[in-house]
Amino acid sequence: AQRVTQPEKLLSVFKGAPVELKCNYSYSGSPELFWYVQYSRQRLQLLLRHISRESIKGFTADLNKGETSFHLKKPFAQEEDSAMYYCALMGGRRALTFGSGTRLQVQP
Amino acid sequence: DVKVTQSSRYLVKRTGEKVFLECVQDMDHENMFWYRQDPGLGLRLIYFSYDVKMKEKGDIPEGYSVSREKKERFSLILESASTNQTSMYLCASSSGTATGELFFGEGSRLTVL
Repeated sequence: AQRVTQPEKLLSVFKGAPVELKCNYSYSGSPELFWYVQYSRQRLQLLLRHISRESIKGFTADLNKGETSFHLKKPFAQEEDSAMYYCALMGGRRALTFGSGTRLQVQP
Repeated sequence: DVKVTQSSRYLVKRTGEKVFLECVQDMDHENMFWYRQDPGLGLRLIYFSYDVKMKEKGDIPEGYSVSREKKERFSLILESASTNQTSMYLCASSSGTATGELFFGEGSRLTVL
């Protein structure tokens, strides 16, 4: 079985503060991990994937197989980062398993 | 630019009614998915399809069925709607080689009274 856990329903930070959205997973094999984002009144969209090792909109995420984590980080939050963030895992089937999501609120 | 279109943005149905949710994608994607999105539960996979006339159960298929007669169209069917099926339904598609990159529709918000 594969499972994604996002322990925080809501994360509230001030503009300019660092952000870390937590994601832990359970999967016996070698997974692919993703972060998706949904801005207000917009479609859910891919933010980044671990295999790309890229920074998108200042966000990065490192896969830690030892801790089975894929936390999303940004050093300086912006108000436009306020959104719903979902961590997702691709395991043995051709479909993503999503976490329960974390709402990020960046206050001015 | 990939476009995934869900035919109905908002629906209100009564308990016991049959409900059809339609989804069309225009990028010749092999894979299509139906998720439901609920606060505190995130996205849960109902069904997916990786080819025409092929379907696989997701994590919560009970009370739902699907149809994929054409590559571009994937329909979700609630045979007899119940109040616990009130939710936001999201359709998505992906290409066969990039199965983790999903393109989502705007969603269909279904209320069952």
